Amino acid sequence: DTAVSQTPKYLVTQMGNDKSIKCEQNLGHDTMYWYKQDSKKFLKIMFSYNNKELIINETVPNRFSPKSPDKAHLNLHINSLELGDSAVYFCASSRAAEAFFGQGTRLTVV
Amino acid sequence: GIQVEQSPPDLILQEGANSTLRCNFSDSVNNLQWFHQNPWGQLINLFYIPSGTKQNGRLSATTVATERYSLLYISSSQTTDSGVYFCAVGSSGYSTLTFGKGTMLLVSP
Repeated sequence: DTAVSQTPKYLVTQMGNDKSIKCEQNLGHDTMYWYKQDSKKFLKIMFSYNNKELIINETVPNRFSPKSPDKAHLNLHINSLELGDSAVYFCASSRAAEAFFGQGTRLTVV
Repeated sequence: GIQVEQSPPDLILQEGANSTLRCNFSDSVNNLQWFHQNPWGQLINLFYIPSGTKQNGRLSATTVATERYSLLYISSSQTTDSGVYFCAVGSSGYSTLTFGKGTMLLVSP
C-alpha cells in the first residue's frame, strides 16, 4: 500500500487553465504539506496543514489554494496557470517528526 | 530562516567506491532527514537522524547536532545509488523541512 499518493503523476496544461492535484495519506499522520521542486531541483515548502487547519503559508501566490477535506487528504488547486508554475509538486505527511513524500506531480504549463 | 549547505554539489564515483556527503546547518534543529531522489524523481527516505548514528546496509549517517552538521556515508557504491541526495532539517514544532541544494551522485560501472 502506498503511504502518500498523489494524482496525477503528470499534468500538461495550457496557460490560464485551472487545475488540481490530489494527495492522500494512509499513515494516520496529523500534518500534511505541499512542497515545490523547481527546475534546479530545489525543494521548498509551500503549505503546511495540521488537523485540517492551515498552519504555514509561505510566500506563494494566492492563485494556489490548498484544501484539506479531512486529515488524510490535502489537495492543491491552482488558478490561472502561468508558465512559471511548471515544476514538480510533492505532497508529504508527518506526525511531528519524520516526513514521508508522495511520488510527485510533474506540472508542465505550455 | 535556517540555512542548509550540502557538499560536494556533484560527485562521480566508480562502482565499488566509498563516499561521504556532508550537510551543514545554521541553527539548532529538531529534525534532520536524508533523502535519495532517484532518476525517476521519487524522494526516498534514507534516515531520520536529528542526532546520533544510524546504519542501514551500505549506508550510514551521523549527526553531530552540537556542531551543526550531518554526514552520509555510502560504501561499496552501486549504479543504483545514482541520483540526488538531499539533507533536510526542521526547527519548528510542525517540522516543515528546509532542504539543502543536494549532492548529485553518479556511479559509473
